[in-house]
Amino acid sequence: EPEVTQTPSHQVTQMGQEVILRCVPISNHLYFYWYRQILGQKVEFLVSFYNNEISEKSEIFDDQFSVERPDGSNFTLKIRSTKLEDSAMYFCASSEFRGREKLFFGSGTQLSVL
Amino acid sequence: AQTVTQSQPEMSVQEAETVTLSCTYDTSENNYYLFWYKQPPSRQMILVIRQEAYKQQNATENRFSVNFQKAAKSFSLKISDSQLGDTAMYFCAFMKTSGTYKYIFGTGTRLKVLA
Repeated sequence: EPEVTQTPSHQVTQMGQEVILRCVPISNHLYFYWYRQILGQKVEFLVSFYNNEISEKSEIFDDQFSVERPDGSNFTLKIRSTKLEDSAMYFCASSEFRGREKLFFGSGTQLSVL
Repeated sequence: AQTVTQSQPEMSVQEAETVTLSCTYDTSENNYYLFWYKQPPSRQMILVIRQEAYKQQNATENRFSVNFQKAAKSFSLKISDSQLGDTAMYFCAFMKTSGTYKYIFGTGTRLKVLA
């Protein structure tokens, strides 16, 4: 069964550093998302992306965050200057054009900001 | 704005027994989707079951079934014949069918299945 893959599974960085989290969505999917989960809390929406532009973003997704689909397969989340409170599990997800309600999640990247 | 509430932070059940996890939501929308996701210790998000609001029939997937009460805005998950592998965090989620395709998650219920 096709799946969403995320790399790396764990990322440790120093506060103020830039990080890029990578995702390879399912190949025929057209909608892409990033969610995050701070340890012990609920999963929160960050951003959705379609047709090479952001469709929607939450208030969490401020100017420090950006997303990009640099080629036909990868979907990245960049945090320009990480803060301690950015420490969380970041999930990438994708969905088809038809059946957008069904999200396929990756296994997540655990980001630790020291 | 939509909200999803899971009022049971933790639950436990004996192996082979049945357990019901509750979820309520608030929305003014008439058409939407509801989901239950399982998050085992690996923290991957796994879809358990999905319900379309326009369908009156409750969704079922093997040992998992829902009790969807649209008027009461209630969406509970029943797990029958509980297995040790069902031990996980369970999240209820809501999605509108128009304008946005983001999920709104509840705070989760930690389920422990006891041997």
